[in-house]
Amino acid sequence: DAGVIQSPRHEVTEMGQEVTLRCKPISGHNSLFWYRQTMMRGLELLIYFNNNVPIDDSGMPEDRFSAKMPNASFSTLKIQPSEPRDSAVYFCASSLGAGTSNQPQHFGDGTRLSIL
Amino acid sequence: GDSVTQMEGPVTLSEEAFLTINCTYTATGYPSLFWYVQYPGEGLQLLLKATKADDKGSNKGFEATYRKETTSFHLEKGSVQVSDSAVYFCALSKSGTYKYIFGTGTRLKVLA
Repeated sequence: DAGVIQSPRHEVTEMGQEVTLRCKPISGHNSLFWYRQTMMRGLELLIYFNNNVPIDDSGMPEDRFSAKMPNASFSTLKIQPSEPRDSAVYFCASSLGAGTSNQPQHFGDGTRLSIL
Repeated sequence: GDSVTQMEGPVTLSEEAFLTINCTYTATGYPSLFWYVQYPGEGLQLLLKATKADDKGSNKGFEATYRKETTSFHLEKGSVQVSDSAVYFCALSKSGTYKYIFGTGTRLKVLA
């Protein structure tokens, strides 16, 4: 079975540029999460979608970050303009029925983002 | 609020040693508990889970028992291998809330 697919795996860009990260969740999963992982802060939840609708974006650091889920099989996380402090590994995860307790999250392999 | 506490790492062991990584939780109600493993350069992978008290999750030689009386879910393995070197995350989720609470992770290094 195909897992969560993220692209690109690595992104290196200069400060001020727009960055778009992409995610394809597992087919049939109705919950999608974007996380950021850094050494200093660990794993942080950025935004949660349920049935393609953003439910909680309280973890999005600031207005430079935006996320969309136009359909059940695709989501994007965009940073515009990017800053060096945005450098991190960004993970997408999906699950079936978040809120039903016993369903685990399935993670992609992440995008390692470096802003110079 | 709900939380998960893991032992500080790194944990360094020789091959074939016994492994314990401690995890305790604070949560109202009856959470489900999970252990995830993250290998270098990869995402978190579900290792095992337990959904009610006294359940034992197991996978790839790893085990953890859901102990409600001590609010713990310690990860154990009888004989670790170099290939087990990774970061291990304890996590919980609860019915009625979408949030998964993750611990800070424990890095395991196994030496040949």
